[in-house]
Amino acid sequence: EVVMTQSPATLSLSPGERATLSCRATDSVRENLAWYQQKPGQAPRLFIYGASTRATGVPARVTGSGSGTEFTLTIDSLQSEDSAVYYCQQYNQWPFTFGQGTKLEIK
Amino acid sequence: EVQLLESGGGLIQPGGSLRLSCAASGFSFSNFAMSWVRQTPGKGLQWVSTISASGKTIFYADSVKGRFTISRDDSKNTLSLQMNSLRPDDTAIFYCAKSQLGAVFAAHNSWGQGTLVSVSS
Repeated sequence: EVVMTQSPATLSLSPGERATLSCRATDSVRENLAWYQQKPGQAPRLFIYGASTRATGVPARVTGSGSGTEFTLTIDSLQSEDSAVYYCQQYNQWPFTFGQGTKLEIK
Repeated sequence: EVQLLESGGGLIQPGGSLRLSCAASGFSFSNFAMSWVRQTPGKGLQWVSTISASGKTIFYADSVKGRFTISRDDSKNTLSLQMNSLRPDDTAIFYCAKSQLGAVFAAHNSWGQGTLVSVSS
């Protein structure tokens, strides 16, 4: 099973700053990596797929990068609406696995 | 607009059975793989099971293999999860999710709001 590890666990930033979230896999998942955004009381929402492609409705200030075992989600010009938990997930091999999440707080 | 509406959750005693359903609308259901994913505060998000558009490819998490059965009824646009021999550690919110593709190896771009399953005596 591919284990996904995210860092940091919590990130607290001010509006207008840049957030950088990391995700590491124990085995190569190529570019079969998705990021999901989840807000309290809501289902996960697909944010990034194919490691770098923004899902429908995701703003251009969001960037995904990486391949193999190292991935990054960058959110520029933070806004209050970005406050959420972000999960990475690999779909390269079964079982599909998630990271434990990074909680992004906007001060 | 894609809509996924789960039902069938509830409180059940250990060893009991439940059947979850997911009513899909707003897209051509038969063309897409579908999955069940569960979430608990302690274990986070876990992929439970997935089924391809054709129904020929099915995967289960090891923790549910032999106890859970995923199925789809394309005539009714419905995804189901039959859960038997339920255990307390099966307690979770269960989400129905739609893949971007007919094949299972893809991101999932639509999710239902979830249904809560509580296994307790």
